[in-house]
Amino acid sequence: GQQVMQIPQYQHVQEGEDFTTYCNSSTTLSNIQWYKQRPGGHPVFLIQLVKSGEVKKQKRLTFQFGEAKKNSSLHITATQTTDVGTYFCAGRADSWGKLQFGSGTQVVVTP
Amino acid sequence: DAGITQSPRHKVTETGTPVTLRCHQTENHRYMYWYRQDPGHGLRLIHYSYGVKDTDKGEVSDGYSVSRSKTEDFLLTLESATSSQTSVYFCAISERDVSYEQYFGPGTRLTVT
Repeated sequence: GQQVMQIPQYQHVQEGEDFTTYCNSSTTLSNIQWYKQRPGGHPVFLIQLVKSGEVKKQKRLTFQFGEAKKNSSLHITATQTTDVGTYFCAGRADSWGKLQFGSGTQVVVTP
Repeated sequence: DAGITQSPRHKVTETGTPVTLRCHQTENHRYMYWYRQDPGHGLRLIHYSYGVKDTDKGEVSDGYSVSRSKTEDFLLTLESATSSQTSVYFCAISERDVSYEQYFGPGTRLTVT
């Protein structure tokens, strides 16, 4: 079964609005990565978080790793049409050995 | 984009036929991966390689085999394709172990009729 859960599966956003997507695990993660996949494209690495409570920003994107290292979030401010795509989180736990990808949040932006 | 190519990019094949997908990298990265992507499932790891002739299974390895005879090439073989293997297949590479960022190829869309 899915070991890394992402919510929501689908997000419809008006251009200019903010939104957040969440990634949850029942197991403590050693790291969490975020990827973006444009429609018809391939996943592209965005960022990796390693430390408890870590927050990293990339322009309008803010990534956070939970204090317990079991969850993560991606917050996008002032959404633009260029933000369209599916955002995946991927986590690794020591007991898993390999990265586990979430099922993704598909983001649709209306002008 | 990292130097990763996949061939073919599209393939339609019949049930029961063998199929080989190729991934080629020019980055000299040690780790290579094969994933399949299906709606609602995200990316699921099929097999990965941590060096020439060193491979291991992922979470959905049944029906698939892999080979890596050179650093730059990682082959995925479906010995006898089934309709359940219709999917988009992505190859990925990483410089270090499985915790490190991965760079994905453009993907191969495989349809098994």
